[in-house]
Amino acid sequence: AQSVAQPEDQVNVAEGNPLTVKCTYSVSGNPYLFWYVQYPNRGLQFLLKYITGDNLVKGSYGFEAEFNKSQTSFHLKKPSALVSDSALYFCAVRDLMLNDYKLSFGAGTTVTVRA
Amino acid sequence: EAQVTQNPRYLITVTGKKLTVTCSQNMNHEYMSWYRQDPGLGLRQIYYSMNVEVTDKGDVPEGYKVSRKEKRNFPLILESPSPNQTSLYFCASSSSGFSTDTQYFGPGTRLTVL
Repeated sequence: AQSVAQPEDQVNVAEGNPLTVKCTYSVSGNPYLFWYVQYPNRGLQFLLKYITGDNLVKGSYGFEAEFNKSQTSFHLKKPSALVSDSALYFCAVRDLMLNDYKLSFGAGTTVTVRA
Repeated sequence: EAQVTQNPRYLITVTGKKLTVTCSQNMNHEYMSWYRQDPGLGLRQIYYSMNVEVTDKGDVPEGYKVSRKEKRNFPLILESPSPNQTSLYFCASSSSGFSTDTQYFGPGTRLTVL
């Protein structure tokens, strides 16, 4: 079965500091990995995805994520956080081995960027 | 504008009273899905549909029904709602069901079952 863990419920950083949101996954085959962001009272918005190729993936709003197969991780990063990055972030995975089309999400990490 | 719409956005109902939450997308997407979001649990998939007349269960399908009679619409039906179905519901769509496709989410429907 596929699963995702986001070990931190909350991440607090000061504006201008680096931001990291952690994600680890478990799959039987190769993973397809996604990051989504949810702003208050809004639906989820796609940030970036890893399918294959370069382990460093660049996405929207200056975010990037690094795929690490040996550590089964896909941490989201931003070099310099903004107050407007305060939101709920979700990591998601699909297992290429499974013959279905399910997407499994983590529990989410609330990011607060203070001015 | 390309979007996924859901109605209603907010709904308070009572146990046992059948309800339907509508979902519509204008992107000609084949794949549509319903999720529920609960604190500490993230999003859990309820049902998904690969195309018209093709639906399948997600991780938490109990107590829900869906139908896909038209490509653009994917309503979620609660025949006899119970308080444990109080949640925030999201509909999503993608161009196909392939693993690489990005899903586009609706704004959410907050359901309270008393």
